Amino acid sequence: RKEVEQDPGPFNVPEGATVAFNCTYSNSASQSFFWYRQDCRKEPKLLMSVYSSGNEDGRFTAQLNRASQYISLLIRDSKLSDSATYLCVVNIEYTGNQFYFGTGTSLTVIP
Amino acid sequence: DAGVIQSPRHEVTEMGQEVTLRCKPISGHDYLFWYRQTMMRGLELLIYFNNNVPIDDSGMPEDRFSAKMPNASFSTLKIQPSEPRDSAVYFCASSFGHRSNQPQHFGDGTRLSIL
Repeated sequence: RKEVEQDPGPFNVPEGATVAFNCTYSNSASQSFFWYRQDCRKEPKLLMSVYSSGNEDGRFTAQLNRASQYISLLIRDSKLSDSATYLCVVNIEYTGNQFYFGTGTSLTVIP
Repeated sequence: DAGVIQSPRHEVTEMGQEVTLRCKPISGHDYLFWYRQTMMRGLELLIYFNNNVPIDDSGMPEDRFSAKMPNASFSTLKIQPSEPRDSAVYFCASSFGHRSNQPQHFGDGTRLSIL
């Protein structure tokens, strides 16, 4: 079983739409959670950390549900520039600071 | 602040040649990770170091791959001899492991093509 599972998509949404991605993780000892964004032929870049109480950064909202072991990312008012692959990442510090990446969800925002 | 620096950005070489990829982590980071990314297999962790010591190299494909971290500011990933199936983007990332919620920061990657 993979440590982190994501729906690969692709998600094709019109500009201005709201889109949500979910990600599940298998290890209940996971301690830190992140969403990364990866543009075509570029490196993954940190989009936002995910905190237990949920957090928001502009049009982006991240939620964590420890009981069900999933995290989510909500993008409101989608822009063309949001088109990318979004990677869910969990970190398990006690096993040696391991980072586990999902396979990514592809988003295309259509004009 | 300087991010993770990788070199070269691109490498094209013939099979059988030795390839050396280089990485300079963010100053102060005590963890360094090497990844490989392909369309077929996605992002794969090859090896990671803590305080210059290899912690887990179970992702290294085979003996042709080796990695070293002689000091806190430099690491190499070497492939000898290289094969066409090694063609991929190789990323180096670093992180600070002594507090929670410390993400990894990636370099620009090295695009490797083995002919």
